[in-house]
Amino acid sequence: DTEVTQTPKHLVMGMTNKKSLKCEQHMGHRAMYWYKQKAKKPPELMFVYSYEKLSINESVPSRFSPECPNSSLLNLHLHALQPEDSALYLCASSQEPTGGTDTQYFGPGTRLTVL
Amino acid sequence: AQSVAQPEDQVNVAEGNPLTVKCTYSVSGNPYLFWYVQYPNRGLQFLLKYITGDNLVKGSYGFEAEFNKSQTSFHLKKPSALVSDSALYFCAVRGLYGQNFVFGPGTRLSVLP
Repeated sequence: DTEVTQTPKHLVMGMTNKKSLKCEQHMGHRAMYWYKQKAKKPPELMFVYSYEKLSINESVPSRFSPECPNSSLLNLHLHALQPEDSALYLCASSQEPTGGTDTQYFGPGTRLTVL
Repeated sequence: AQSVAQPEDQVNVAEGNPLTVKCTYSVSGNPYLFWYVQYPNRGLQFLLKYITGDNLVKGSYGFEAEFNKSQTSFHLKKPSALVSDSALYFCAVRGLYGQNFVFGPGTRLSVLP
């Protein structure tokens, strides 16, 4: 089973709201990723968690706050977002964080709209 | 630095005809190359990857890709296109030391009935 699940599927929030995106995998993968994808563009890496520790933060604004409570779960906490943050947010996981041959498996994404 | 180019924004092909989606790459050392497909409002689905060995890689849904080291290319192919293959296709490269994926800009494939 190569399934990564994400909730919610859709989220609409105001600029003053606080919300969270959730991602889960039960494949025993030790690396988890957050990507942001604008329409018709490739995914852009935001964060990488390696063995439950944040290993890469691609200069993402502090209004995005990732959290990895355990090896199966990944959250993205959102606060004071801007309309330009509206996008599809994708979670992915892979078996080993430093394995060049490793395949990343993606979840279906959360479509975020910031009003 | 790693980079991936997909020279065609859009590829149109008639159902039943062979399809090719092009990808060229630049990476230091041996490349690890991947193809993903994305249907509207969905995540990326893994199709296939090249690590080493046979230059022709077979993947999901009848897709295959040919690795050409001298041309630094990794073109995605399918002998007979289906309307359901219509989607956005991304090529990605990862370097030897596990650097993060670098995605190409994507190619939209339209298979016409």
